[in-house]
Amino acid sequence: DVQLVQSGAEVKKPGESLEISCQGSEYGFSNYWIGWVRQTPGRGLEWMGFIYPGDSDTRYSPSFQGQVTISADKSISTAYLRWSSLKASDTAIYFCARREWLQSPFDHWGQGTVVTVSS
Amino acid sequence: QSVLTQPPSASGTPGQRVIISCSGSSSNIGRNIVNWYQQLPGMAPKLHIYSNNQRPSGVPDRFSGSKSGTSSSLAISGLQSEDEADYYCATWDDSLRGPVFGGGTKLTVL
Repeated sequence: DVQLVQSGAEVKKPGESLEISCQGSEYGFSNYWIGWVRQTPGRGLEWMGFIYPGDSDTRYSPSFQGQVTISADKSISTAYLRWSSLKASDTAIYFCARREWLQSPFDHWGQGTVVTVSS
Repeated sequence: QSVLTQPPSASGTPGQRVIISCSGSSSNIGRNIVNWYQQLPGMAPKLHIYSNNQRPSGVPDRFSGSKSGTSSSLAISGLQSEDEADYYCATWDDSLRGPVFGGGTKLTVL
């Protein structure tokens, strides 16, 4: 079965950097887009960006452009979401999810990574 | 605050039919297919309806989706206790050049 397994919960201080990961298995990782989605109680689900691991084509939501960096290492079937300087407002659950092409649905999701940013 | 508008809550008794609405605009629902996700408490969202009205394998036929103009609906007939969850509509937005979501509807089975 297709699986996306995310790294574990993180507790960080404002200003710290962080990278979370999403490892795919049981499918051709290079051939599907991986998206990152943020979930907060106040703003619900928000798309952050996509990456196509096959050629590292990356697209960002305007709301998140410059705030995070999305990357992937297709040799280990893993996508990453990175912050260089966290803010308290980054506290959220982050999901990775795959889609076959840009306009198709997210058909498989990771379990989510809880990120807490607090001084 | 979400691009797509859903009612925050819906409810029904076992066996009833419930409809959850999702309203968008010409740049999103008006031009693109709609998908619905079910999120059980403490879990990741899961694709429940795709391409407006298609059910992935394993989703009961009690669930159906529809789209008309810039709106979409998720109908659940023969409501069961295990249907209690948050439901999100989603589609592509041509202006954003990315997917957009509704704010979610919390379905309660009374």
